[in-house]
Amino acid sequence: ETGVTQSPTHLIKTRGQQVTLRCSSQSGHNTVSWYQQALGQGPQFIFQYYREEENGRGNFPPRFSGLQFPNYSSELNVNALELDDSALYLCASSSTMQETQYFGPGTRLLVL
Amino acid sequence: SQQGEEDPQALSIQEGENATMNCSYKTSINNLQWYRQNSGRGLVHLILIRSNEREKHSGRLRVTLDTSKKSSSLLITASRAADTASYFCASFSGGTSYGKLTFGQGTILTVHP
Repeated sequence: ETGVTQSPTHLIKTRGQQVTLRCSSQSGHNTVSWYQQALGQGPQFIFQYYREEENGRGNFPPRFSGLQFPNYSSELNVNALELDDSALYLCASSSTMQETQYFGPGTRLLVL
Repeated sequence: SQQGEEDPQALSIQEGENATMNCSYKTSINNLQWYRQNSGRGLVHLILIRSNEREKHSGRLRVTLDTSKKSSSLLITASRAADTASYFCASFSGGTSYGKLTFGQGTILTVHP
């Protein structure tokens, strides 16, 4: 157990809808990163939040957005869902002085 | 897009045998990490090797890094059925306030009892 929690565990949405995924970071960690993992693939970096600001972004469109709160928890929002957004979404927390990221169990999103 | 490639894509061995997985990456890195994933769940950190290190051990795990070839290998000795999982290498790039992991596509390891 890493101490990183995510909710919900599973979610079904239809194309065009919006979704919000949540992540609580491990105690003492101030950085949260989000990854998308399509079936049979490795995780891909979406973005990272540090001190409530986006601190780096991967090759994802602006309809993927996020927030980080003062308690370092985070949300991932995806607007105008597409079928290809179906994936496991992983949140990882870390300390700014550490390079190891600790992953939560993920949220599996299915877009119909 | 994925930066790294892993080889083999799938590996099937008997309990007690050793398992070797290889990984290549494309750009300069701060370090390279290996993660394990069971049944599409969260990733578990196994080991980290820095760019100035060549070999590192942790229990039954041995990792090597060759920065000139941009490659790494993970060896699991005396494998157990419980080692059955997907294994991913991830290159880490960034600084102290920002860093991202770039993952390979993974190796599916099956250990038969």
